[in-house]
Amino acid sequence: DTGVSQNPRHKITKRGQNVTFRCDPISEHNRLYWYRQTLGQGPEFLTYFQNEAQLEKSRLLSDRFSAERPKGSFSTLEIQRTEQGDSAMYLCASSPASEQYFGPGTRLTVT
Amino acid sequence: GENVEQHPSTLSVQEGDSAVIKCTYSDSASNYFPWYKQELGKGPQLIIDIRSNVGEKKDQRIAVTLNKTAKHFSLHITETQPEDSAVYFCAASIEGDYGQNFVFGPGTRLSVLP
Repeated sequence: DTGVSQNPRHKITKRGQNVTFRCDPISEHNRLYWYRQTLGQGPEFLTYFQNEAQLEKSRLLSDRFSAERPKGSFSTLEIQRTEQGDSAMYLCASSPASEQYFGPGTRLTVT
Repeated sequence: GENVEQHPSTLSVQEGDSAVIKCTYSDSASNYFPWYKQELGKGPQLIIDIRSNVGEKKDQRIAVTLNKTAKHFSLHITETQPEDSAVYFCAASIEGDYGQNFVFGPGTRLSVLP
């Protein structure tokens, strides 16, 4: 257990619905990352926060995706109007500097 | 942008043998190279990392080597044990004051046969 928690662990939703995932990082870490991982692939970078500021977003992060980190603590990732291609594992990682500590992930299935 | 390749995609070794996984990167500005181990149903776990000012780093049975000129780095696991069986990912990034964009390789599935 790295100390990074993610909820829910599993989410099944119907196409077109909105979903929101939460990540609680290690408390003293000021950096927080979101990744998407599909079966048989490495994690793909989505977005990154330093404290409450969202400093970088991947081109993978379409307009349907939004992430927040209010007060520089927990973070949420919302996907609007889900599509079947959004089915994946969504991973959160927190970091004090370069070293990343990943949570267990949220597995999203869009039916 | 950065591109990371990783080989082999699968690797089977006998318990006690050594395992080597190799990665190449494209962006010469990359300066931080972590390795992660991911077990089924879990998030990746950092097992070792190396920075570009170092050529080799070792931690018990695990070592990483870096060749900046050739832009490749390798993970070496000695005296493998069944619990080493997992998927291993390499990654490359550029360290900076304002965070960094990590690019991961596609992974190597290591099986250690008893």
